Amino acid sequence: DQQVKQNSPSLSVQEGRISILNCDYTNSMFDYFLWYKKYPAEGPTFLISISSIKDKNEDGRFTVFLNKSAKHLSLHIVPSQPGDSAVYFCAASARDSSASKIIFGSGTRLSIRP
Amino acid sequence: EADIYQTPRYLVIGTGKKITLECSQTMGHDKMYWYQQDPGMELHLIHYSYGVNSTEKGDLSSESTVSRIRTEHFPLTLESARPSHTSQYLCASSEWGGGEMNTEAFFGQGTRLTVV
Repeated sequence: DQQVKQNSPSLSVQEGRISILNCDYTNSMFDYFLWYKKYPAEGPTFLISISSIKDKNEDGRFTVFLNKSAKHLSLHIVPSQPGDSAVYFCAASARDSSASKIIFGSGTRLSIRP
Repeated sequence: EADIYQTPRYLVIGTGKKITLECSQTMGHDKMYWYQQDPGMELHLIHYSYGVNSTEKGDLSSESTVSRIRTEHFPLTLESARPSHTSQYLCASSEWGGGEMNTEAFFGQGTRLTVV
């Protein structure tokens, strides 16, 4: 049973436009959400996170939005650049739980076309 | 800058061999994880540890074993490698977290294992 779901395996966006990547989760105990970027043959690199007490967090071109009632979060990248082409993973954890661990979604491959 | 290292980066090995994938971090993190990822698939948690002498199985069943004798070191061992073990193995570490403390996991470069 997947607790973190990324239903779009791939996304193609024109350079300069906005990229929106979506993620849904099922476990209501999750209170911390993260986005990672991954290039082939490398480990994921952390992009941005959001705590459940917030509904938006912004860092440069990256903004994460959290809708707790819908158990949904999204990552917005604007403007999209060629270097943004990668696989993006959504992840979640329950930080204050003694059994907390970070659970990842299946990823969305983002391609930025010129 | 993440200070977590995995060796080797790439390994091609014959069926039946015993292998150990190394993972070390210099950040003093208590939590460490091993994930397995096949191409185009999600990262599956196969092992995690909350500290020295603490290890737990992850969500994906794995024939590998781990140990945590030192905080900084979390090796993964396969006693008898098989072609079905061919995959990318990713090690990560994080703080305990709580409150507003960042608890993102920092990943190593990964080990691409091929069993022939």
